[in-house]
Amino acid sequence: DAKTTQPNSMESNEEEPVHLPCNHSTISGTDYIHWYRQLPSQGPEYVIHGLTSNVNNRMASLVIAEDRKSSTLILHRATLRDAAVYYCILRHYYSGNTPLVFGKGTRLSVIA
Amino acid sequence: NAGVTQTPKFQVLKTGQSMTLQCAQDMNHEYMSWYRQDPGMGLRLIHYSVGAGITDQGEVPNGYNVSRSTTEDFPLRLLSAAPSQTSVYFCASSYTQGRAEAFFGQGTRLTVV
Repeated sequence: DAKTTQPNSMESNEEEPVHLPCNHSTISGTDYIHWYRQLPSQGPEYVIHGLTSNVNNRMASLVIAEDRKSSTLILHRATLRDAAVYYCILRHYYSGNTPLVFGKGTRLSVIA
Repeated sequence: NAGVTQTPKFQVLKTGQSMTLQCAQDMNHEYMSWYRQDPGMGLRLIHYSVGAGITDQGEVPNGYNVSRSTTEDFPLRLLSAAPSQTSVYFCASSYTQGRAEAFFGQGTRLTVV
């Protein structure tokens, strides 16, 4: 299974942009890159996903390196509510036989 | 749309008791899975299913059983509860395509004394 590597923790000031990196050097051409986050005392929630092109949604942007061996989740203006553990996960094109597996993620702290 | 519903939200068991954690989804998702999360740790996969009648083990399956008789439901059974199974349990569901977003329940906090 392709694996991801993320920093254990990061810190950001409120209202500043946050760049959360993820390395996935063994990614295959048919793996989607997913990001989830887990707020304190809650279940994980979907943030964004992409395959090759950069993606934007109301929550964040996903920038994927040209060789796809790394990606960066960008929160454009961090708020206190964005303090959470962020997980970068690879999911095969057809996940029928591949479960969704979480690593340790990056714990993001936001300072007021 | 209820999404993924887990019951109960809290449970205290005595060592050796058995119980079933319920998980139901109303999105017609083929994929469902169970995770446990110990304090300060990440989510570890217990069991998963890619459709009715199909289940498989995850990273930490010992002490847990599952079955998938319908698309909607994926119960997790603790056969003989042990203090080491004290944890928060999360259920998730999604379509099986790699681009599919997974939805999670709010969790069941289980304490085994």
